[in-house]
Amino acid sequence: NAGVTQTPKFQVLKTGQSMTLQCAQDMNHEYMSWYRQDPGMGLRLIHYSVGAGITDQGEVPNGYNVSRSTTEDFPLRLLSAAPSQTSVYFCASSYAQGWDTQYFGPGTRLTVL
Amino acid sequence: GNSVTQMEGPVTLSEEAFLTINCTYTATGYPSLFWYVQYPGEGLQLLLKATKADDKGSNKGFEATYRKETTSFHLEKGSVQVSDSAVYFCALGGSARQLTFGSGTQLTVLP
Repeated sequence: NAGVTQTPKFQVLKTGQSMTLQCAQDMNHEYMSWYRQDPGMGLRLIHYSVGAGITDQGEVPNGYNVSRSTTEDFPLRLLSAAPSQTSVYFCASSYAQGWDTQYFGPGTRLTVL
Repeated sequence: GNSVTQMEGPVTLSEEAFLTINCTYTATGYPSLFWYVQYPGEGLQLLLKATKADDKGSNKGFEATYRKETTSFHLEKGSVQVSDSAVYFCALGGSARQLTFGSGTQLTVLP
């Protein structure tokens, strides 16, 4: 049981490049979410999904796209990276009934130059 | 909207000292309240939770009581250890399936 896994651990991009942050969970959780963590600001919700085929926006969705084609995977896409997207990104998952008790992945540290 | 205000850090304590990290919240309705902990280089882990007023969450010697009258959920531990060094986040879970986090408090425990 690997829990929530994220790849890559570190990434450096140039402004305007695109990339996908991968997130997978093996706990059969219905609910998955993406957060960004910035110094002094805690974690802010980017997008979340309550099940395959269903996604919704969180507090800071601009510049990010998501899709949920399977229960296990919830990738986060940056179509045109900007320096303001330099952050640490965390994926989390939970059961739909207990959605507020979430299990977090180890994070991806992204730097946009 | 919902918001969480946490005691600013960093906090530095000697081993076996008493710990309090203050957390207050603003929310509509009756949210659940949480403390998450982030050890260096890792993701967040749920430390404890409380789902209604006057509930006390506890885990690993840490405690927090849901105080609706003061809209607070302060984290306490009677005797901290070096291994408790981490960043602690207070959070609330509202009705819109979103967790709202505080800014985090860095705790360093010295031997």
